[in-house]
Amino acid sequence: QVQLVESGGGVVQPGRSLRLSCVGSRFSFSSYDIHWVRQAPGKGLEWVALISNDGRTAYYADSVKGHFTISRDNSKNTLYLHMNTLGPEDTAMYYCARGVFHDYTCYFDSWGQGTLVTVSS
Amino acid sequence: QSVLTQPPSVSGAPGQRVTISCTGSSSNIGAGYDIHWYQQLPGTAPKLLIYSNNNRPSGVPDRFSGSKSGTSASLAITGLQAEDEADYYCQSYDSSLSGSVFGTGTQVSVL
Repeated sequence: QVQLVESGGGVVQPGRSLRLSCVGSRFSFSSYDIHWVRQAPGKGLEWVALISNDGRTAYYADSVKGHFTISRDNSKNTLYLHMNTLGPEDTAMYYCARGVFHDYTCYFDSWGQGTLVTVSS
Repeated sequence: QSVLTQPPSVSGAPGQRVTISCTGSSSNIGAGYDIHWYQQLPGTAPKLLIYSNNNRPSGVPDRFSGSKSGTSASLAITGLQAEDEADYYCQSYDSSLSGSVFGTGTQVSVL
């Protein structure tokens, strides 16, 4: 069974940086695009970023563009999200999710359990 | 602000049928992009429920079904059960935003 495990969340002061990690197992990690999706407390889901299976292409939501960087190391089956200049609006549970591309859209067929980021002084 | 709009809540008695709408526009559902649905039980990660408009992953009961028409889509739950109490989200691609988008989410309550 596909497994995705996030880590790296915690309480961070406004303006600081944080790096999240997501380790994939029990599937061919390098064959799949992987996404970050976040959910602010009591709110809905928000797509954050996508990185292609080979790590060459990345896409971002406008809300995080220039602010977050997605990367991956396929030799370690690990996805990263580098978050800079964090603000209170970035407080959320961050999920990594495996993407499956079909007919010009993708869907997320496996999700991690999430890691909570709280931006507060 | 999500570009896919869902009703905040729907409810029904056990055994009843409920539907959840997902209304988009010409840059997402209306452009022909597929709709996918997720179920999020309290305190857990989302789970894929329906993919590509009307397909169920292995293990999802056939009580759940999806449809799409024009700029809208719907998720139907027949034979509502207590275990179906959860939040449900639609998801697609938006060409104006050049990225995936989620619906606003719907909380389903079993009376």
